[in-house]
Amino acid sequence: DAKTTQPTSMDCAEGRAANLPCNHSTISGNEYVYWYRQIHSQGPQYIIHGLKNNETNEMASLIITEDRKSSTLILPHATLRDTAVYYCIVMDGTSYGKLTFGQGTILTVHP
Amino acid sequence: NAGVTQTPKFQVLKTGQSMTLQCAQDMNHEYMSWYRQDPGMGLRLIHYSVGAGITDQGEVPNGYNVSRSTTEDFPLRLLSAAPSQTSVYFCASRRGTFSETQYFGPGTRLLVL
Repeated sequence: DAKTTQPTSMDCAEGRAANLPCNHSTISGNEYVYWYRQIHSQGPQYIIHGLKNNETNEMASLIITEDRKSSTLILPHATLRDTAVYYCIVMDGTSYGKLTFGQGTILTVHP
Repeated sequence: NAGVTQTPKFQVLKTGQSMTLQCAQDMNHEYMSWYRQDPGMGLRLIHYSVGAGITDQGEVPNGYNVSRSTTEDFPLRLLSAAPSQTSVYFCASRRGTFSETQYFGPGTRLLVL
Protein backbone atom coordinates (compact mmCIF):
# COMPACT_ATOMS: atom_id res chain seq x y z
CA ASP A 1 0.00 0.00 0.00
CA ALA A 2 1.12 3.56 -0.73
CA LYS A 3 2.70 5.67 1.99
CA THR A 4 1.16 8.93 3.13
CA THR A 5 2.66 12.16 4.45
CA GLN A 6 0.74 14.49 6.76
CA PRO A 7 1.73 17.56 8.79
CA THR A 8 2.45 16.75 12.40
CA SER A 9 0.03 19.30 13.82
CA MET A 10 -2.46 22.00 12.83
CA ASP A 11 -4.57 24.56 14.61
CA CYS A 12 -8.03 25.82 13.74
CA ALA A 13 -10.42 28.36 15.26
CA GLU A 14 -13.80 27.07 16.36
CA GLY A 15 -16.45 27.63 13.68
CA ARG A 16 -13.92 27.91 10.89
CA ALA A 17 -13.16 25.28 8.27
CA ALA A 18 -10.31 22.89 9.03
CA ASN A 19 -8.38 21.77 5.96
CA LEU A 20 -6.11 18.78 6.58
CA PRO A 21 -3.72 17.90 3.72
CA CYS A 22 -2.30 14.51 2.84
CA ASN A 23 0.30 13.55 0.24
CA HIS A 24 0.18 10.09 -1.32
CA SER A 25 2.35 10.49 -4.42
CA THR A 26 2.86 6.74 -4.93
CA ILE A 27 -0.84 5.86 -4.91
CA SER A 28 -1.88 3.31 -7.50
CA GLY A 29 -5.03 3.21 -9.57
CA ASN A 30 -7.00 0.79 -7.40
CA GLU A 31 -6.15 2.36 -4.05
CA TYR A 32 -8.69 4.31 -2.04
CA VAL A 33 -7.98 7.22 0.29
CA TYR A 34 -9.46 6.77 3.77
CA TRP A 35 -9.63 9.21 6.66
CA TYR A 36 -10.00 8.16 10.29
CA ARG A 37 -9.67 10.15 13.49
CA GLN A 38 -8.85 9.24 17.06
CA ILE A 39 -10.14 11.34 19.91
CA HIS A 40 -7.97 11.07 23.02
CA SER A 41 -7.27 7.37 23.54
CA GLN A 42 -10.59 6.20 22.09
CA GLY A 43 -10.77 3.74 19.21
CA PRO A 44 -10.31 5.30 15.76
CA GLN A 45 -13.46 6.55 14.05
CA TYR A 46 -14.12 6.37 10.32
CA ILE A 47 -14.72 9.73 8.64
CA ILE A 48 -14.80 9.36 4.87
CA HIS A 49 -13.16 7.65 1.91
CA GLY A 50 -12.87 8.11 -1.85
CA LEU A 51 -11.22 6.86 -5.02
CA LYS A 52 -11.20 9.64 -7.63
CA ASN A 53 -14.18 11.91 -7.15
CA ASN A 54 -14.69 14.34 -4.34
CA GLU A 55 -16.87 12.97 -1.57
CA THR A 56 -19.06 14.56 1.09
CA ASN A 57 -20.92 13.14 4.05
CA GLU A 58 -22.40 14.49 7.25
CA MET A 59 -19.00 14.74 8.89
CA ALA A 60 -16.65 16.06 6.25
CA SER A 61 -15.67 16.55 2.62
CA LEU A 62 -12.81 14.86 0.82
CA ILE A 63 -11.10 16.60 -2.07
CA ILE A 64 -8.78 14.44 -4.20
CA THR A 65 -6.54 16.08 -6.81
CA GLU A 66 -6.94 15.03 -10.42
CA ASP A 67 -3.60 13.18 -10.42
CA ARG A 68 -4.63 11.57 -7.08
CA LYS A 69 -1.25 12.33 -5.54
CA SER A 70 -2.75 14.37 -2.72
CA SER A 71 -6.01 14.98 -0.93
CA THR A 72 -7.56 17.34 1.60
CA LEU A 73 -10.02 16.54 4.35
CA ILE A 74 -12.33 19.46 5.11
CA LEU A 75 -14.26 19.85 8.34
CA PRO A 76 -16.56 22.71 7.33
CA HIS A 77 -17.32 24.15 10.77
CA ALA A 78 -14.84 22.82 13.29
CA THR A 79 -15.90 22.46 16.91
CA LEU A 80 -13.89 21.79 20.05
CA ARG A 81 -15.01 18.15 19.84
CA ASP A 82 -13.15 17.82 16.54
CA THR A 83 -9.82 18.08 18.37
CA ALA A 84 -8.21 14.73 17.56
CA VAL A 85 -5.48 12.94 15.63
CA TYR A 86 -6.47 12.59 11.98
CA TYR A 87 -5.09 9.71 9.92
CA CYS A 88 -4.92 9.63 6.13
CA ILE A 89 -4.62 6.05 4.87
CA VAL A 90 -4.30 4.58 1.40
CA MET A 91 -5.57 1.06 0.88
CA ASP A 92 -6.49 -1.19 -2.03
CA GLY A 93 -9.21 -3.77 -2.28
CA THR A 94 -6.85 -6.73 -2.07
CA SER A 95 -5.37 -5.83 1.32
CA TYR A 96 -8.35 -7.16 3.27
CA GLY A 97 -8.75 -3.89 5.08
CA LYS A 98 -5.25 -3.89 6.53
CA LEU A 99 -5.22 -0.26 7.49
CA THR A 100 -1.69 1.06 7.91
CA PHE A 101 -1.76 3.98 10.30
CA GLY A 102 1.03 6.56 10.17
CA GLN A 103 1.63 9.31 12.71
CA GLY A 104 -1.34 11.38 11.62
CA THR A 105 -2.06 15.10 12.14
CA ILE A 106 -2.90 16.44 15.57
CA LEU A 107 -5.71 18.94 14.98
CA THR A 108 -6.36 21.36 17.82
CA VAL A 109 -9.51 23.46 17.61
CA HIS A 110 -9.30 26.65 19.68
CA PRO A 111 -12.25 28.61 21.13
CA ASN B 1 -26.21 -3.29 18.50
CA ALA B 2 -23.35 -3.13 20.98
CA GLY B 3 -20.87 -2.83 18.11
CA VAL B 4 -17.34 -3.98 18.94
CA THR B 5 -16.73 -4.81 22.59
CA GLN B 6 -13.42 -5.55 24.30
CA THR B 7 -12.59 -6.96 27.71
CA PRO B 8 -10.89 -6.23 29.98
CA LYS B 9 -10.49 -2.45 29.85
CA PHE B 10 -7.31 -2.53 31.91
CA GLN B 11 -4.88 -5.30 32.81
CA VAL B 12 -1.58 -5.53 34.65
CA LEU B 13 0.60 -8.57 34.03
CA LYS B 14 3.95 -9.77 35.23
CA THR B 15 6.61 -10.74 32.73
CA GLY B 16 6.06 -14.32 31.57
CA GLN B 17 2.37 -14.48 32.36
CA SER B 18 -0.14 -15.33 29.67
CA MET B 19 -3.56 -13.87 29.07
CA THR B 20 -6.32 -13.51 26.50
CA LEU B 21 -7.82 -10.24 25.35
CA GLN B 22 -11.41 -10.70 24.33
CA CYS B 23 -13.09 -9.08 21.33
CA ALA B 24 -16.65 -9.57 20.15
CA GLN B 25 -18.90 -7.94 17.56
CA ASP B 26 -22.63 -8.32 16.97
CA MET B 27 -22.78 -6.88 13.45
CA ASN B 28 -22.15 -10.19 11.62
CA HIS B 29 -18.92 -8.77 10.18
CA GLU B 30 -16.64 -11.17 8.34
CA TYR B 31 -13.44 -9.23 8.82
CA MET B 32 -11.84 -8.67 12.24
CA SER B 33 -8.42 -7.43 13.26
CA TRP B 34 -6.22 -6.55 16.21
CA TYR B 35 -4.01 -3.46 16.45
CA ARG B 36 -1.65 -2.16 19.09
CA GLN B 37 -0.90 1.48 19.75
CA ASP B 38 2.19 2.59 21.63
CA PRO B 39 2.46 6.11 23.12
CA GLY B 40 2.69 8.79 20.44
CA MET B 41 2.47 6.24 17.65
CA GLY B 42 -0.09 5.22 15.10
CA LEU B 43 -1.79 1.83 15.16
CA ARG B 44 0.06 -1.27 14.02
CA LEU B 45 -1.72 -4.38 12.77
CA ILE B 46 -1.03 -7.56 14.78
CA HIS B 47 -3.31 -10.21 13.28
CA TYR B 48 -6.46 -10.24 11.20
CA SER B 49 -9.18 -12.64 10.08
CA VAL B 50 -11.34 -12.62 6.96
CA GLY B 51 -13.82 -15.14 8.34
CA ALA B 52 -14.35 -17.97 10.81
CA GLY B 53 -11.42 -20.37 10.68
CA ILE B 54 -9.20 -18.01 8.67
CA THR B 55 -6.49 -15.86 10.24
CA ASP B 56 -3.30 -14.21 9.02
CA GLN B 57 -0.42 -12.17 10.37
CA GLY B 58 -0.15 -8.44 10.26
CA GLU B 59 2.80 -6.14 10.76
CA VAL B 60 3.78 -7.13 14.33
CA PRO B 61 2.55 -10.70 15.04
CA ASN B 62 5.39 -12.02 17.21
CA GLY B 63 4.34 -12.96 20.73
CA TYR B 64 0.64 -13.11 19.89
CA ASN B 65 -1.75 -15.85 18.79
CA VAL B 66 -5.27 -15.61 17.45
CA SER B 67 -8.08 -17.95 16.47
CA ARG B 68 -11.50 -17.40 14.93
CA SER B 69 -13.90 -20.20 15.78
CA THR B 70 -17.04 -18.05 15.37
CA THR B 71 -17.95 -14.97 13.34
CA GLU B 72 -18.58 -12.99 16.52
CA ASP B 73 -15.39 -13.57 18.53
CA PHE B 74 -11.72 -12.92 17.83
CA PRO B 75 -9.57 -13.38 20.96
CA LEU B 76 -5.93 -12.30 21.12
CA ARG B 77 -3.58 -14.41 23.24
CA LEU B 78 -0.34 -13.23 24.74
CA LEU B 79 1.75 -16.36 25.18
CA SER B 80 4.43 -15.05 27.56
CA ALA B 81 4.02 -11.36 28.31
CA ALA B 82 7.00 -9.05 27.95
CA PRO B 83 7.39 -5.36 28.94
CA SER B 84 7.60 -4.53 25.21
CA GLN B 85 3.97 -5.61 24.93
CA THR B 86 2.82 -2.79 27.18
CA SER B 87 0.42 -0.96 24.92
CA VAL B 88 -3.20 -0.17 24.13
CA TYR B 89 -4.86 -2.88 22.08
CA PHE B 90 -7.74 -2.17 19.70
CA CYS B 91 -9.99 -4.69 18.03
CA ALA B 92 -11.81 -3.77 14.83
CA SER B 93 -14.35 -5.29 12.47
CA ARG B 94 -15.79 -4.58 9.05
CA ARG B 95 -18.49 -6.21 6.96
CA GLY B 96 -16.49 -7.04 3.86
CA THR B 97 -13.01 -6.89 2.47
CA PHE B 98 -13.28 -3.79 0.34
CA SER B 99 -14.55 -0.26 0.60
CA GLU B 100 -16.23 -0.82 3.93
CA THR B 101 -16.07 1.18 7.13
CA GLN B 102 -14.00 -0.40 9.87
CA TYR B 103 -15.42 -0.14 13.40
CA PHE B 104 -13.09 -0.07 16.39
CA GLY B 105 -13.64 -1.18 19.96
CA PRO B 106 -12.83 1.00 23.00
CA GLY B 107 -9.44 -0.60 23.60
CA THR B 108 -7.67 -2.62 26.29
CA ARG B 109 -4.81 -0.97 28.19
CA LEU B 110 -2.14 -3.50 29.09
CA LEU B 111 0.80 -2.94 31.41
CA VAL B 112 3.47 -5.63 31.65
CA LEU B 113 5.81 -5.28 34.60
